[in-house]
Formats: sequence, structure tokens, C-alpha cells
Amino acid sequence: GQQVQQSPASLVLQEGENAELQCNFSSTATQLQWFYQSPGGSLVSLLSNPSGTKHTGRLTSTTVTKERRSSLHISSSQTTDSGTYLCAIVNSAGNKLTFGIGTRVLVRP
Amino acid sequence: GGIITQTPKFLIGQEGQKLTLKCQQNFNHDTMYWYRQDSGKGLRLIYYSITENDLQKGDLSEGYDASREKKSSFSLTVTSAQKNEMAVFLCASSIYNERLFFGHGTKLSVL
Repeated sequence: GQQVQQSPASLVLQEGENAELQCNFSSTATQLQWFYQSPGGSLVSLLSNPSGTKHTGRLTSTTVTKERRSSLHISSSQTTDSGTYLCAIVNSAGNKLTFGIGTRVLVRP
Repeated sequence: GGIITQTPKFLIGQEGQKLTLKCQQNFNHDTMYWYRQDSGKGLRLIYYSITENDLQKGDLSEGYDASREKKSSFSLTVTSAQKNEMAVFLCASSIYNERLFFGHGTKLSVL
């Protein structure tokens, strides 16, 4: 089945630093989404980015479909960015997401 | 904007008990999902439904039933709770192949 690998597993940043999170997937994906989960909270969709580069606020996602990878860049990190970032892929049938385990990010003041 | 409401927020059950989790959405989305989140394992799809009265098995459907009674609601039943089971169940909805919106989750503990 579809595999989604995320790296690093965890990341500690000093406020103001930038970070890059990676997502690699095992087979063709028609859709890719990045989610944020706050500690103890629900998931929020950050970006839907099947290919190319997309920006929202301080977040930039770049997906290279042929190479089956996507990255999420966080610029000028803030303590409120702390949480888990999940990458998810839609399969070729287009009807369900497969999630990675996520990258836990801690931003220290 | 819309909202997804999951009830209850916390659920404590006994081993062998049948437990039902409920989910309501007012986005008017066609597709709804139930995911299970375990520590260190990420989210795994239990069931999903692409329209009212439709049910599709996910990767983890064994031990669960689901019901899409109407477009706005999707319930999940744990058919026999396992001792010491602890997980978060997340409901989501979307327009087909578009962004997913999640509820806040139901935290299950089985004594």
C-alpha cells in the first residue's frame, strides 16, 4: 500500500529560526496535503499542494511529483508553531488520504 | 464557515463493550471519514463514506462498524472494546478530492 515517510521525526528550534520538513511517498499521488495538529488539538489543513510551490503566510510547500517528495518550509518560526506537522497523500482513486507519522516541532522562546 | 462536531469528547468503556462515536458536519460535504490516531503510528483510516448510505472500508475496519445515516452525520461503532485500548478517533469531511476538515476528536480509554 501507499507509504508516507516524514523526516525528521522531531525538531527543536529557537524562535526566529527557519525549518524544513520532508515528506516522501512510495507511489503516485494525485493530491498532497500538509496538516498541523496542535498539542491535544484537532488537525487543520495548511496547504493542498499536489505539485509545484505554494505559499501561505510563513509556510512554503514544494512538491516534486516525479521524485515523490514534498517539503514544508517554516520561516521565522514562532512559539505558536509548536505542534505536529503531518503530510498526507491521496491515492490514485482520489478518495482517501494516507498519512505520515508526522514531524513534531518545538519552538523555544 | 462550517464545523465538525464529534461526541463525546471523552469516552471510557469496559472491555467487550460496544461503543458508539458520533460525528456531525455542516459543510454540506459529500465525503466523511473516520480515522484512528495512536501514539507513534499516525492516522489510520477506519471507514469512509462518499455519500449518504455509502460505506467504504479503510485499512483498519476490522472490529468496527459505521453508519452514514444522512449526509451530515457519520457514526462509528467499536464492536467490542479491547482492554487497555487508548486512542483518539478523528472524524473528517471533504468535498471529493479536496481539503479535509477535521473534528476535535474523541479520546477513548478502555478499562
